[in-house]
Amino acid sequence: EAQVTQNPRYLITVTGKKLTVTCSQNMNHEYMSWYRQDPGLGLRQIYYSMNVEVTDKGDVPEGYKVSRKEKRNFPLILESPSPNQTSLYFCASRVTGVGSPLHFGNGTRLTVT
Amino acid sequence: EDQVTQSPEALRLQEGESSSLNCSYTVSGLRGLFWYRQDPGKGPEFLFTLYSAGEEKEKERLKATLTKKESFLHITAPKPEDSATYLCAVQAQGGSEKLVFGKGTKLTVNP
Repeated sequence: EAQVTQNPRYLITVTGKKLTVTCSQNMNHEYMSWYRQDPGLGLRQIYYSMNVEVTDKGDVPEGYKVSRKEKRNFPLILESPSPNQTSLYFCASRVTGVGSPLHFGNGTRLTVT
Repeated sequence: EDQVTQSPEALRLQEGESSSLNCSYTVSGLRGLFWYRQDPGKGPEFLFTLYSAGEEKEKERLKATLTKKESFLHITAPKPEDSATYLCAVQAQGGSEKLVFGKGTKLTVNP
């Protein structure tokens, strides 16, 4: 089954404790992206990757890192999480080009205390 | 700057009561407009892509239409299982792969 898999689904952590949210897709998509979703603010792009070893900042990259060492994986790293990073996070992937839709994972709900 | 505005923010319907959701956009050349459905706590699920003004697409009780400035998602005779948040997104020309999302319309269909 074609899918984007995120782990974990739920995560509660404390301020300053480094964490990684994993994302993997099995559709051989070139483009991958991370979004956060907050009430009243909608989906905002954090980082994206056009292909292996090619990453770039989205609209809200502060406090986050990413890497793309393999085509299928695109982990999101929070080196020193803060409470304002409490949010619902989504990984997504798509074929590059006109009109191809983003395929989303089921989300990771992160709480930073 | 590319922008997407969805209205209304929330819509409550009775089962069988047809209505429309609006997505207004400003973009420097449209490559594609996308509609998604999102259930609580889950990732958005793709519904439609529209490319040019005048285009229409249908899926069950949903029909999406596109003009040069906006798109409508028409819901005919909705059922309670159509309750969800509906998101609109645009992809602009110029080589960008980025999708810009609206904040969504939360639809509730009461039995």
